[in-house]
Amino acid sequence: EAQVTQNPRYLITVTGKKLTVTCSQNMNHEYMSWYRQDPGLGLRQIYYSMNVEVTDKGDVPEGYKVSRKEKRNFPLILESPSPNQTSLYFCASSLLQGGVLHFGNGTRLTVT
Amino acid sequence: GDSVTQMEGPVTLSEEAFLTINCTYTATGYPSLFWYVQYPGEGLQLLLKATKADDKGSNKGFEATYRKETTSFHLEKGSVQVSDSAVYFCALSLYNQGGKLIFGQGTELSVKP
Repeated sequence: EAQVTQNPRYLITVTGKKLTVTCSQNMNHEYMSWYRQDPGLGLRQIYYSMNVEVTDKGDVPEGYKVSRKEKRNFPLILESPSPNQTSLYFCASSLLQGGVLHFGNGTRLTVT
Repeated sequence: GDSVTQMEGPVTLSEEAFLTINCTYTATGYPSLFWYVQYPGEGLQLLLKATKADDKGSNKGFEATYRKETTSFHLEKGSVQVSDSAVYFCALSLYNQGGKLIFGQGTELSVKP
């Protein structure tokens, strides 16, 4: 089944403790992206990647890192999480830039 | 800058009622327009799309027409069901911005039996 898989679904952590949210897609998509969803703000793009080893900042990249060493994986790294990064995070992919995005089921992160 | 504005929710309707969720956009170029739906506990999934002016996207009884003159892409359904309860997001994509999707804030729809 074609899908985008994120892990974990839920994560509670403390300020400053490094964490990684994994994202993997099995559709051989070139384009991958991370969004955060906050009430009243819709979805805002954090980072995106057009292909392996090609990443770029979205609208809200501060406090986040990404890497794209393989085509299928696009992990989101929070080196030193803070409470304002408490949010619902979505990974998404599409065949090419501008194409229909396929979303994972989300990761709900709480930073205390 | 480029943006999408949706009507605020939550919207509460009775089953079989007519649905309209308004969406307007501001864009410097010629965007593609989308409606995505998010069911509880799930990620977003594409509901319908339109890529040029006067195109009509349709799926599962939902429709939206790309109106360049009014910069709008309103979502409509003639008869909603309880299973349509979800959050609906209007979005635009501009190729010259790396295909980034710009989302509206989302409109929650609740359909009562």
